[in-house]
Parts: sequence; C-alpha cells; structure tokens
Amino acid sequence: NAGVTQTPKFQVLKTGQSMTLQCAQDMNHEYMSWYRQDPGMGLRLIHYSVGAGITDQGEVPNGYNVSRSTTEDFPLRLLSAAPSQTSVYFCASSLRDQNIQYFGAGTRLSVL
Amino acid sequence: AQSVTQPDIHITVSEGASLELRCNYSYGATPYLFWYVQSPGQGLQLLLKYFSGDTLVQGIKGFEAEFKRSQSSFNLRKPSVHWSDAAEYFCAVHALTGGGNKLTFGTGTQLKVEL
Repeated sequence: NAGVTQTPKFQVLKTGQSMTLQCAQDMNHEYMSWYRQDPGMGLRLIHYSVGAGITDQGEVPNGYNVSRSTTEDFPLRLLSAAPSQTSVYFCASSLRDQNIQYFGAGTRLSVL
Repeated sequence: AQSVTQPDIHITVSEGASLELRCNYSYGATPYLFWYVQSPGQGLQLLLKYFSGDTLVQGIKGFEAEFKRSQSSFNLRKPSVHWSDAAEYFCAVHALTGGGNKLTFGTGTQLKVEL
C-alpha cells in the first residue's frame, strides 16, 4: 500500500535552475495538494487540484506551477529556483467526500 | 478566512507526565479539526479528527482532544507521555470550499520529552 509517494526525497539546486517535484497517489483520490513547510510557519498551501485538468492557487503560489493530467499524478514545477524556495515540500491527497488528507514523506529542497 | 493558533512553540515534559497542547481556531462555520504529528525527518501522520458529535475524540497512540465551541479550542491531551512522543504537533482546520479540501495549519508545537 504505497499511498502518496514523493520523489526525490532530497534535492539541491542552484539559483535559477528548474526542477519538478513528483507526487503520485494510488488511492484514486480526486483532491491533491502541495504544501511547503518552513520553520515557525507551519504548512502553507501552494497549489491544489480537485481533479484531473483542474488546478488552483493556494496561499503561496508564486514561483510554482502545477498541472494535473491524470488522477494519480500532481507534479510541482519550479521554473527558476530562488533561495526563498528552500523548504520542505509535502504533497497530500484526499477523496472528494472525505475530509482526511494523506501526506507523502516530503521533499527537502535547498536552493543555493 | 480560517486560521489556527498554537500559542506554544516549544513544550518540555517529563516522561510519564501529562500533556496538553493548545489549539485555537477561527472559522465561520462548524469546523473540521485535526491534529497531526510529525516525527523528525518524517511526513505528517493523522492523530485524530473532529467532524461532529461527541466533543471528546480519541486518537491513536493514546491521544485525545476536546472540541470546545465556546472557546474556539481543540486542545490535544495525553495522560502519560512516552519518550517516543517527542515530535512536532500541528493543529489544522479544514475548509470545504467550492475549490476543494483545504487545510489551514497552525505553526506547530515542538514537544520535548525528558527522561
């Protein structure tokens, strides 16, 4: 039972580089979300999706892009990484009619 | 908009002592409330949830929480803390909007357990 799988677990980037954080779930969940976690700030919502082909912005969307071409996958793209994007990123998913979100193990990103 | 306040950034308790972590929320309607725990280097694990009904809810690992509407609180408790409970604890409120399930988190409480 894989649940929510995030890759990679760790990543170091240089300022200006681009990369994609991967998130996949095998529970057929309609909702998927990306959060970032920073010390003293808890988790903040970056982007979310209510189903394939539908995405929307959360609390801190600037500098990030998402797409949802399948129910299973919800990648997060950093087009030009900045040091301010150094953080731990969590992906979560849930069923449409169930309010419990399931989290992946996270991706630790450092931007130098 | 909803918000969650966890007033205690750090808490230290002795093993075997009781624990209470505070959480206050702001939300216009009846909230869905959660407590998550995060061990070092790990993801978030759901401890317990409140949707409706009995205001005292039981969770995993011996934790419980009480919803008090009059105080807008959802405090987490454990009668006897174990060293393995050392972790960071997050309270969250759920907002089911037309745009999907959104969780708003508090800033977390770091629990240290002294042996």
